[in-house]
Amino acid sequence: NAGVMQNPRHLVRRRGQEARLRCSPMKGHSHVYWYRQLPEEGLKFMVYLQKENIIDESGMPKERFSAEFPKEGPSILRIQQVVRGDSAAYFCASSMGSHILNQPQHFGDGTRLSIL
Amino acid sequence: QKEVEQDPGPLSVPEGAIVSLNCTYSNSAFQYFMWYRQYSRKGPELLMYTYSSGNKEDGRFTAQVDKSSKYISLFIRDSQPSDSATYLCAMSLIPFLDSWGKLQFGAGTQVVVTP
Repeated sequence: NAGVMQNPRHLVRRRGQEARLRCSPMKGHSHVYWYRQLPEEGLKFMVYLQKENIIDESGMPKERFSAEFPKEGPSILRIQQVVRGDSAAYFCASSMGSHILNQPQHFGDGTRLSIL
Repeated sequence: QKEVEQDPGPLSVPEGAIVSLNCTYSNSAFQYFMWYRQYSRKGPELLMYTYSSGNKEDGRFTAQVDKSSKYISLFIRDSQPSDSATYLCAMSLIPFLDSWGKLQFGAGTQVVVTP
């Protein structure tokens, strides 16, 4: 069984470019979560999506960041006009439901974004 | 003040020793507590979860929750070099019908088990 697949594993962008991070959830999972991890910091929640719906985006910066989880295809985290401070590891997790004890979140191995 | 505090380490122990990890938190409404293990360049992997106060044991791992002190612990017995990783604590509120269990993570403690 394939786990949560994230690509690319590493992404290098210059300031002002766009970054697109992809996440394919585990088979049968319809809930997707995006987290950001900075050095020496824990995982910070960004956004929670179900198919075609954003459930909670309280952790997303108000500008330049957007996320989607279309009916077909992977979830996409999009960062426009990237800045140096966007350099981080971005992790995606998926679950069958949202209640952590019954439906734990399974994480991908992340995309490491570097901004030149 | 962060909602979840965790000493970043590194914590270095000899093989076979007991590893003791802990987190403190400020929000008394947290009810679910989890420990994740994260190897370098990998995603977090759920190790254990507990609800409310008490102990839970799974093989070499024991998780403890003391809600009165807002303190959780993870103990690893008979530690092995393969246990070398970063250990993250996480916690959430009780999800209600119109909410969901958002996870709050600690910063993680790096553990090094030396042969």
